[in-house]
Amino acid sequence: AQSVTQLGSHVSVSEGALVLLRCNYSSSVPPYLFWYVQYPNQGLQLLLKYTSAATLVKGINGFEAEFKKSETSFHLTKPSAHMSDAAEYFCAVSSNDYKLSFGAGTTVTVRA
Amino acid sequence: DAEITQSPRHKITETGRQVTLACHQTWNHNNMFWYRQDLGHGLRLIHYSYGVHDTNKGEVSDGYSVSRSNTEDLPLTLESAASSQTSVYFCASRPNLEDTQYFGPGTRLTVL
Repeated sequence: AQSVTQLGSHVSVSEGALVLLRCNYSSSVPPYLFWYVQYPNQGLQLLLKYTSAATLVKGINGFEAEFKKSETSFHLTKPSAHMSDAAEYFCAVSSNDYKLSFGAGTTVTVRA
Repeated sequence: DAEITQSPRHKITETGRQVTLACHQTWNHNNMFWYRQDLGHGLRLIHYSYGVHDTNKGEVSDGYSVSRSNTEDLPLTLESAASSQTSVYFCASRPNLEDTQYFGPGTRLTVL
């Protein structure tokens, strides 16, 4: 069985500041890891994914995440927050069964 | 362009009624999934299917059923709607393990 823990249900950052969203996972087999973004009243959009290639993964909109097996973590970062980054972010893990297990989500607000 | 659609986008129903939510994808993906999204819980898996005539229960399957008569569609039925099933429902499909799940736009269901 796999599971995901996202630390912090709400994160508030200033425009131009670093965005750091934390995700820890548990999985009995090498995982596939994903970050999704959800804007209000919309569906989920893939930001980036880790599928056992490079441990530092770059995604859309300037986001990146680093897979650290020893820490079972897949934290999401963006060097400089923009107002358009205000949204809810979900970390998800998958093993060999095609299913996704999601974290509870982190809501990001960006202060001008 | 290939896509995944859900209908209706909004539905209000009464307790005890049967409700069916439609999901249709044009990618020809074998793997399809239904999730519900509730505040503080992220997305939770209701049912999933790996192909025609295959259906499986997820972590919150009580009160829901699905059927898979073709590759493109996975309708979700609430046999007797309950207020606890008020939620936003997302359908998704996934082509292979290295790729992500692709999500529909969601259906907001209110059970009064």
